Amino acid sequence: KQEVTQIPAALSVPEGENLVLNCSFTDSAIYNLQWFRQDPGKGLTSLLLIQSSQREQTSGRLNASLDKSSGRSTLYIAASQPGDSATYLCAVRSGGGNKLTFGTGTQLKVEL
Amino acid sequence: GVTQSPTHLIKTRGQQVTLRCSSQSGHNTVSWYQQALGQGPQFIFQYYREEENGRGNFPPRFSGLQFPNDSSELNVNALELDDSALYLCASTVDNNEQFFGPGTRLTVL
Repeated sequence: KQEVTQIPAALSVPEGENLVLNCSFTDSAIYNLQWFRQDPGKGLTSLLLIQSSQREQTSGRLNASLDKSSGRSTLYIAASQPGDSATYLCAVRSGGGNKLTFGTGTQLKVEL
Repeated sequence: GVTQSPTHLIKTRGQQVTLRCSSQSGHNTVSWYQQALGQGPQFIFQYYREEENGRGNFPPRFSGLQFPNDSSELNVNALELDDSALYLCASTVDNNEQFFGPGTRLTVL
């Protein structure tokens, strides 16, 4: 059974700081990994998708890496801004179908 | 994008509810998730070309339908207090990136 863990559960940083969010998963036989952003009470916004054959993906100030063999992914956010404040969720697709297994998220607060 | 209705819903225990989702155009797979407060979303089931082809650890009183016009439904019978959650639908094509709707907040009293 796939299990996904995200560390830390919460993070507070000053504006402008670079930061790293961590995600680990127990079964390395994944098809892909997706990072999402969720604002309070809202749906999920897809940030980055990494296929199992890829090592990293970049979008603007975001960079996600994947080490499938060790069951780890990191989301790097450069030059953080108050608008980055949200909960960040990672999810892996494994097994049959399109089922995603999610972590419980990292709640990020970027302070002025 | 993916849209869902209604935005919020209040029901009482024992009632039945239908939640609706409109998938992104051209997407042939829709999945439904339940997200309790402070938790990550939990997979309920998915539909591919109008047939259920995967289910998570949810009882049969959770059921769904997918229609040819990119719309789908999640039905929950005999509502329980623990069914209170944010319900999310997601659509995808070719097993790639999944796009989520804004969710429906269900409160069961």
